[in-house]
Parts: sequence; C-alpha cells; structure tokens
Amino acid sequence: EPEVTQTPSHQVTQMGQEVILRCVPISNHLYFYWYRQILGQKVEFLVSFYNNEISEKSEIFDDQFSVERPDGSNFTLKIRSTKLEDSAMYFCASSPLQGISGNTIYFGEGSWLTVV
Amino acid sequence: DAKTTQPTSMDCAEGRAANLPCNHSTISGNEYVYWYRQIHSQGPQYIIHGLKNNETNEMASLIITEDRKSSTLILPHATLRDTAVYYCIVRVEWGAQKLVFGQGTRLTINP
Repeated sequence: EPEVTQTPSHQVTQMGQEVILRCVPISNHLYFYWYRQILGQKVEFLVSFYNNEISEKSEIFDDQFSVERPDGSNFTLKIRSTKLEDSAMYFCASSPLQGISGNTIYFGEGSWLTVV
Repeated sequence: DAKTTQPTSMDCAEGRAANLPCNHSTISGNEYVYWYRQIHSQGPQYIIHGLKNNETNEMASLIITEDRKSSTLILPHATLRDTAVYYCIVRVEWGAQKLVFGQGTRLTINP
C-alpha cells in the first residue's frame, strides 16, 4: 500500500539552527500538508500546498517556516531559526484530487524534532 | 469546518464491539464525516469516511444518523492494537481542505 514517507525520524538541533524536514508524498497525490503535534497536545495544521504554491496556512506558520517542492517527489518543511517551542512531532500528509478515491488525507509517521 | 463533540475516553473489552459516538450537529450538506486514529505518537491513520449512507470497510463501520447530526464508529471485534485516540472530523471533500483535529476519544481496549 502506498504511503507517505518522512525523514529524518528524529532530529536534535540547537536553538537558532535551521532544520529541513523531508517528505515523499504518495506518488499520484497533488495536495500536500504539514501538521505538527507538541507532546501531549492536539495535532495542529500548519500549511497546505497545491500546484507549487501555498493554499492555506495557519497562524503558527509564520516567517520562520517555509515549504518547497524542489523536485517531482519531495516536499520539504524548513524552519529557519529554531526555537525551543518548535520541539514537536511534524507530520507530512498528502491527498489526491477528488475522484473515485475521494480526497482523503494520508499521513506519514512523523519527524520528531527536539530543539535544545 | 463544523465542530465535533466526542467523549474524552472509553473502555472496551477485547473481542467486543467498540462503539465510538460523535456529535456534529452543525454539519453542513457538503461536509463528510471522517474518522482517524492515532496510536501512541504515530501519524494519524485514516479509518473511514461517509456523507450520509452507512459505510463499511475492512477496519470499521460508520453509522450516520438520518439527520446527519451524529455518527458512530464501530470496531466490530476490538483488539489490544485498537487502543488509540480516535478523531471524528467533518470536512468538505474537495480541494486542499485541511483536517481540524480536536481532542478525540482515547479508547482503551482491555484484555
């Protein structure tokens, strides 16, 4: 069964450093998302991306965050200058165009980011 | 997206059917009911979704009331591996429409 894959599974970084989290969405999907979950809290939407541009972003997704689809398969989340409060699990997700399979969103297993 | 209301936690015996309720009284006509679950801190896992008809797949059944104001997710023979947080979410099924997660129901399957 096709799945969303994320790397790294866990990254430890120093405060102020830049971090790039990588995702390979399901191959025929066209919508891409990033969510995050701080330990013990809800899963929160960060951003959605379609046709090489941001469709929607939350208040969390400020200027320190950016997303990119650098080639035909990868989708990345960059955090420019990490803060302690950025420590969280980051989930990438993707969904197809509406069709027989609908527009169901499928999630990866997450990248755990620890900022020290 | 319409809001949903779920019990905070539920228990179920292994091998029995787990019935998880969800209220979505403000759902609009073009919004679907989606169910996801999250085991530990793994990525949310899609279970099932529906508009107004009852749905069944290899994981679960979804029963939606005729007025669409509430629904029930049924896990027919719960196993220990079904212990997870279950999220009921309403969402239109087009475009890059995000999922908005609430607190969900923490389901514990007991041996």
